[in-house]
Amino acid sequence: GAGVSQSPRYKVAKRGQDVALRCDPISGHVSLFWYQQALGQGPEFLTYFQNEAQLDKSGLPSDRFFAERPEGSVSTLKIQRTQQEDSAVYLCASSLGTSGARSYNEQFFGPGTRLTVL
Amino acid sequence: GENVEQHPSTLSVQEGDSAVIKCTYSDSASNYFPWYKQELGKGSQLIIDIRSNVGEKKDQRIAVTLNKTAKHFSLHITETQPEDSAVYFCAARSPYNQGGKLIFGQGTELSVKP
Repeated sequence: GAGVSQSPRYKVAKRGQDVALRCDPISGHVSLFWYQQALGQGPEFLTYFQNEAQLDKSGLPSDRFFAERPEGSVSTLKIQRTQQEDSAVYLCASSLGTSGARSYNEQFFGPGTRLTVL
Repeated sequence: GENVEQHPSTLSVQEGDSAVIKCTYSDSASNYFPWYKQELGKGSQLIIDIRSNVGEKKDQRIAVTLNKTAKHFSLHITETQPEDSAVYFCAARSPYNQGGKLIFGQGTELSVKP
């Protein structure tokens, strides 16, 4: 399986709980993105990593959201003290790079983690 | 910031008919426009993309057109089949966004009736 994988696929949390969502990008992909997709909406950018460096976190909605990619491969999105408005599908995408031919730019998406906060 | 509007939100066609989905973008610097197909339980799949130096691109039954002046691009699916039923998203990317984050439209749910 050479695609992007995410776990868990479904997560139910009680309001106030902390959650951690995992993304395994395609091996060798330098760029990794997290998006949040609310029901009936398009994905919205959260944050971007180039290898282990988090170069853009402008989309994170609050300081309760934290992402890391310590070794430049697997990434974790953590949400502290979850709120009902955090309920959404969290998508991870990876790409070879950020410039040049389409093969470098194409973002490959994982199946997402559906988070429901009660 | 960049904004992408997508229409219609739902589209129902008969098998064999054509389907057209339209998007407009706000940032004139945007230079890359992919289209993704999202099916339940699967990751979003890139089906076609176009760069700002090209006005049209075709891949079998799928084509995308771009009007840079109007900041408008469209997806055309001909000879639709039931397996084309899915949610389709357009997106735009500006070269000034570090890393190449995508700004997505709201999605179009396409239903192809046999």
